[in-house]
Amino acid sequence: GAGVSQSPSNKVTEKGKDVELRCDPISGHTALYWYRQSLGQGLEFLIYFQGNSAPDKSGLPSDRFSAERTGGSVSTLTIQRTQQEDSAVYLCASSSTLFEQYFGPGTRLTVT
Amino acid sequence: AQSVTQLGSHVSVSEGALVLLRCNYSSSVPPYLFWYVQYPNQGLQLLLKYTTGATLVKGINGFEAEFKKSETSFHLTKPSAHMSDAAEYFCAVSVYSSASKIIFGSGTRLSIRP
Repeated sequence: GAGVSQSPSNKVTEKGKDVELRCDPISGHTALYWYRQSLGQGLEFLIYFQGNSAPDKSGLPSDRFSAERTGGSVSTLTIQRTQQEDSAVYLCASSSTLFEQYFGPGTRLTVT
Repeated sequence: AQSVTQLGSHVSVSEGALVLLRCNYSSSVPPYLFWYVQYPNQGLQLLLKYTTGATLVKGINGFEAEFKKSETSFHLTKPSAHMSDAAEYFCAVSVYSSASKIIFGSGTRLSIRP
């Protein structure tokens, strides 16, 4: 079956530009997570959507970062006025229970 | 709140040797514990998980982990390392709550020497 998909797989952008990263979760999964993984680092939690509840935005590093999830399915992570320190791999995961997350392949963002 | 500590950001073992990756957690309620693996340039994949019941859990590729409540540990082991085991390994913790999320450790990079 289809897994979690993310697009684009790679994104190169100039400093100061806005970018949108997309995540298509597994159909029926109620929970969706965004993480950031900088080179050689662990996973940094960004935001968590669970059903119709208000998202947990506690991990967003600044107000330049925002995310939405439309119709309980597709999610878009938006980074405004990108900075070089935003360069990282952005991972999306979805789950139907607390017992397992399914990860997408990630979007590698490079800010020049 | 929950937290996870992985001891050792990099572990190197010889092919055929025992693999031991350490994970300690902190949780005020019974935890759910996970190990994920990330191969180079790939997303994360679940290796194994502990929810309830048997404290020794077996996962894919010959890995296993034991939940030790008294030690608040969930160390990952494999009796005999293979070159294909070289990857980044993440320990994670969660608890049963509709508002909960999974918290990941900082990861341990496993290298295998020929």
